[in-house]
Amino acid sequence: DAGVIQSPRHEVTEMGQEVTLRCKPISGHDYLFWYRQTMMRGLELLIYFNNNVPIDDSGMPEDRFSAKMPNASFSTLKIQPSEPRDSAVYFCASSSPPGRMSSGANVLTFGAGSRLTVL
Amino acid sequence: EDQVTQSPEALRLQEGESSSLNCSYTVSGLRGLFWYRQDPGKGPEFLFTLYSAGEEKEKERLKATLTKKESFLHITAPKPEDSATYLCAVKWGSQGNLIFGKGTKLSVKP
Repeated sequence: DAGVIQSPRHEVTEMGQEVTLRCKPISGHDYLFWYRQTMMRGLELLIYFNNNVPIDDSGMPEDRFSAKMPNASFSTLKIQPSEPRDSAVYFCASSSPPGRMSSGANVLTFGAGSRLTVL
Repeated sequence: EDQVTQSPEALRLQEGESSSLNCSYTVSGLRGLFWYRQDPGKGPEFLFTLYSAGEEKEKERLKATLTKKESFLHITAPKPEDSATYLCAVKWGSQGNLIFGKGTKLSVKP
């Protein structure tokens, strides 16, 4: 398996532009997570899905952020309009269903991240 | 108040100088404590999961332990290639996600 695949790896855009980040989770994983990482705040959960359904979006900063998961193999995180304070590395992660504690389930596998710079 | 706190923020060691990283948590109903390693420009990479107090896991020069309120990542005789940021995360209650600490940046000098 190629792991969690994110695109683009780097994005530089101007304030006010729309940004779309993409993620392909590991096949068979039915949990998908979007995190944002900054020096000041570390890794913060934005939203997560289970079986393509958003479960918790309380970490989404504001209405400018939206996320979709139209099928089990694809998710997008959209920022419209973008602002300089949105500059960060955005990570997508996936995991298999929570199972027995000792089964190795619950482990999140992360993609390489998308570094966003908003000028 | 942070639910997961890691210390120190940064640690510089000489090659071969053993030390420990700390992760303390305030959540109740812990369902798992996770350690990840993150190299610059990459996503976090899974190291260990601990589920109950007293549990220990080992991998090469790393050993993770868990008590009721904290976890330690012990590094024995580190090498320069162990330099990375080490992240701790917890899962609790009915939450499906992980809550991360801010990490400890480890530098090992030859």
